[in-house]
Amino acid sequence: EVQLVESGGGLVQPGGSLRLSCATSGFTFSSYAMSWVRQTPGKGLEWVSGFSVSGGVTHYADSVKGRFTISRDTLKNMLFLQMNSLRAEDTGIYYCAKDRDTMLSEFDYWGQGTLVTVSS
Amino acid sequence: EIVLTQSPATLSLSPGDRATLSCRASQGVSSYLAWYQQKPGQAPRLLIYDAYNRATGIPARFSGSGSGTDFTLTISSLEPEDFAVYYCQQRSNLPPTFGGGTKVEIK
Repeated sequence: EVQLVESGGGLVQPGGSLRLSCATSGFTFSSYAMSWVRQTPGKGLEWVSGFSVSGGVTHYADSVKGRFTISRDTLKNMLFLQMNSLRAEDTGIYYCAKDRDTMLSEFDYWGQGTLVTVSS
Repeated sequence: EIVLTQSPATLSLSPGDRATLSCRASQGVSSYLAWYQQKPGQAPRLLIYDAYNRATGIPARFSGSGSGTDFTLTISSLEPEDFAVYYCQQRSNLPPTFGGGTKVEIK
């Protein structure tokens, strides 16, 4: 059974940092692309960042480029999102999602989400 | 980026009714269009990928059609558990983008 479990969310002041983690199991982690998708009151569902297995390429939404960094640990089957210079508009639920393919595609499994609140 | 526009915003129907949801892309996405269902407090669930392929475990009452810029999700006969919000998503161009959603509510 595929499982994705996020952690690391919380309350942070504007300009602060958080590191999200996603523990995965039930599939061959190194064989699939992985993404972070957030859901915010203002913009609904928004893809944030992804890691393609094909070529080991990372991708970012323009709204987070230069501030967020995606990474993975294939030995521990974990995905991470380092979020720096956080803004109020980054507030939302962050989901770890498994792509259906080796490159960014559809998301066939999702975690339960972790809430990030950016506020002073 | 490709903008996906879903209509209607809300669909008020009764159990047993047929539901027809629309998703229009700002430019052609070939058949690289997926549909998700989301219930309150839950993550989205993949229903349809590549326009018409049902994901694992999805009942046959859910079907997808379309290509290019116009897509449709059809629920042939609504079950009580189908009342939820539905989103479309394209993977044709980076970044992947989602539509704003259609809420299917009980009439």
